[in-house]
Amino acid sequence: DQQVKQNSPSLSVQEGRISILNCDYTNSMFDYFLWYKKYPAEGPTFLISISSIKDKNEDGRFTVFLNKSAKHLSLHIVPSQPGDSAVYFCAASGLATGNQFYFGTGTSLTVIP
Amino acid sequence: GAVVSQHPSRVICKSGTSVKIECRSLDFQATTMFWYRQFPKKSLMLMATSNEGSKATYEQGVEKDKFLINHASLTLSTLTVTSAHPEDSSFYICSAASGRGETQYFGPGTRLLVL
Repeated sequence: DQQVKQNSPSLSVQEGRISILNCDYTNSMFDYFLWYKKYPAEGPTFLISISSIKDKNEDGRFTVFLNKSAKHLSLHIVPSQPGDSAVYFCAASGLATGNQFYFGTGTSLTVIP
Repeated sequence: GAVVSQHPSRVICKSGTSVKIECRSLDFQATTMFWYRQFPKKSLMLMATSNEGSKATYEQGVEKDKFLINHASLTLSTLTVTSAHPEDSSFYICSAASGRGETQYFGPGTRLLVL
């Protein structure tokens, strides 16, 4: 069964507004979480990560929030730009799970100019 | 939900040997499978795209004779690293989709260490 889930396959946002992408996981042994951005015909590009000792990590326009009790993380993009239009994958990993990666199925973000 | 498995999860081998990595879709038919390699800074480089029953399409710069990809059935694709060298040490991830443009389901990855 999918241990990492992205329940929204697509999201449309106006340019300049906030994009919020959500991700849920089931395995409490995960202790490291990543977000990837993927353009068509390219491999996913690492965007931002967060370890379980934190609940927030910020890098420019991108902020990832982690709620361990809810087993939920989210990626906020503010302000959204048309170039942000891509598929976003969240992934989880953990020392206790052999450091293997478990990916969600992705959310396709469209930023409307 | 769809699950994609990879085997082995990690492998250590001597330089010059060949290593086969399997990617299986467990509950759906994957007409298209993708092979990625992870580089420093965690990004994944697409190595090749394989469609069941046909030859894989390799990305520029990927040696097709070194990284042999076989997609013999709708649930299995294999990546064979031939004559592995230490620089081939990396994390290899596959993903599977029921067709082009369909949702990709990623495997958990295989960590290869070549001594």
